[in-house]
Amino acid sequence: GQSLEQPSEVTAVEGAIVQINCTYQTSGFYGLSWYQQHDGGAPTFLSYNALDGLEETGRFSSFLSRSDSYGYLLLQELQMKDSASYFCAVRPSALSSGSARQLTFGSGTQLTVLP
Amino acid sequence: EAQVTQNPRYLITVTGKKLTVTCSQNMNHEYMSWYRQDPGLGLRQIYYSMNVEVTDKGDVPEGYKVSRKEKRNFPLILESPSPNQTSLYFCASSFRGMSSYEQYFGPGTRLTVT
Repeated sequence: GQSLEQPSEVTAVEGAIVQINCTYQTSGFYGLSWYQQHDGGAPTFLSYNALDGLEETGRFSSFLSRSDSYGYLLLQELQMKDSASYFCAVRPSALSSGSARQLTFGSGTQLTVLP
Repeated sequence: EAQVTQNPRYLITVTGKKLTVTCSQNMNHEYMSWYRQDPGLGLRQIYYSMNVEVTDKGDVPEGYKVSRKEKRNFPLILESPSPNQTSLYFCASSFRGMSSYEQYFGPGTRLTVT
């Protein structure tokens, strides 16, 4: 099965850099995704790491280390609009239980950006 | 515009009264899923469908039914709702295979069962 752990809350100030960690226990997966969800809104896709290393998309970067069972989302030049919940998610591989399912999500990290 | 739509957006109902939440996508996606979101528990998958007439249970299927008679539609049925099914529900869709890590979510349905 899959189990993903994230910090429940993170607070940072505008303009700062923040890292949201995701540690996982899974028997196998294809990659690690990140989603953003504003209060009352739908989750929206941010990034995906199929391979170990850093993927950069504008102010957001995501990192994966399979050997350490660890990934993170890095947000730079924080803006007030970045205040939201952030979820990591894994897509199980054919070798893991529930392999046909699409994604398993972590419980989310609430990011608060202060002025 | 590419989108996933859900109806209704808000629903208050009573215990035992059957209800259906509709979900439709216009992106020709094979995969569709239903999730429920509760405080502190993240998104938990209820049911998913890999294609027309192919559905399977997710992590929390008890008390729910689904059907996939057309590719674009994936309704969620609560035959006899109970208060513990009060939650925020999301429908999502994606392409199958290697692109399935990127899901498109509907706007959500907030359900209250009294």
